[in-house]
Amino acid sequence: AQKVTQAQTEISVVEKEDVTLDCVYETRDTTYYLFWYKQPPSGELVFLIRRNSFDEQNEISGRYSWNFQKSTSSFNFTITASQVVDSAVYFCALHIIQGAQKLVFGQGTRLTINP
Amino acid sequence: SQTIHQWPATLVQPVGSPLSLECTVEGTSNPNLYWYRQAAGRGLQLLFYSVGIGQISSEVPQNLSASRPQDRQFILSSKKLLLSDSGFYLCAWDLQRGTDTQYFGPGTRLTVL
Repeated sequence: AQKVTQAQTEISVVEKEDVTLDCVYETRDTTYYLFWYKQPPSGELVFLIRRNSFDEQNEISGRYSWNFQKSTSSFNFTITASQVVDSAVYFCALHIIQGAQKLVFGQGTRLTINP
Repeated sequence: SQTIHQWPATLVQPVGSPLSLECTVEGTSNPNLYWYRQAAGRGLQLLFYSVGIGQISSEVPQNLSASRPQDRQFILSSKKLLLSDSGFYLCAWDLQRGTDTQYFGPGTRLTVL
């Protein structure tokens, strides 16, 4: 079965702290894609990153970085020097190919950055 | 560039009333279209997806239905709303070219009273 687990329901840190959001996935497919989306208070899901199963290189984009480890089926997301604007709900998602392209979402992690 | 619209942005409806939510995509052709629902404090659940006009696949049995009358228009409907239909409804699209990224609309917040 395809499943995504975000064990951290809520995280609260003080501004400028580093914070890591965990994502663990389950799939029997050898080819798959993983995503992170950000949902600010406005509600719209904002795409952050896509990673395919053959590329385990870590990625950095400004203060954001992602650590993909197939051995532990994890795709963790780190925000360095957090800012209040980073406050949002973050979703990890697994892409499966069954007809159309379906995303299986984790339950999300609500991140609050306090000034 | 591509843009996805949803309306209305918010809606308050009584139990038993009908529902029609609309989603349109601009700037692309022949997209896959999706309806998701997010209940309060929970993750996203895929309700319907469509790979073309008139082609609808349902993921979850419920009193909702979807239609795709035009290539870039996706409609979510109900004949009689239930309290449990309350939630945040998101439309998304991606391209039919292998694995692509899904992009989401601004959403519709539905409250059924």
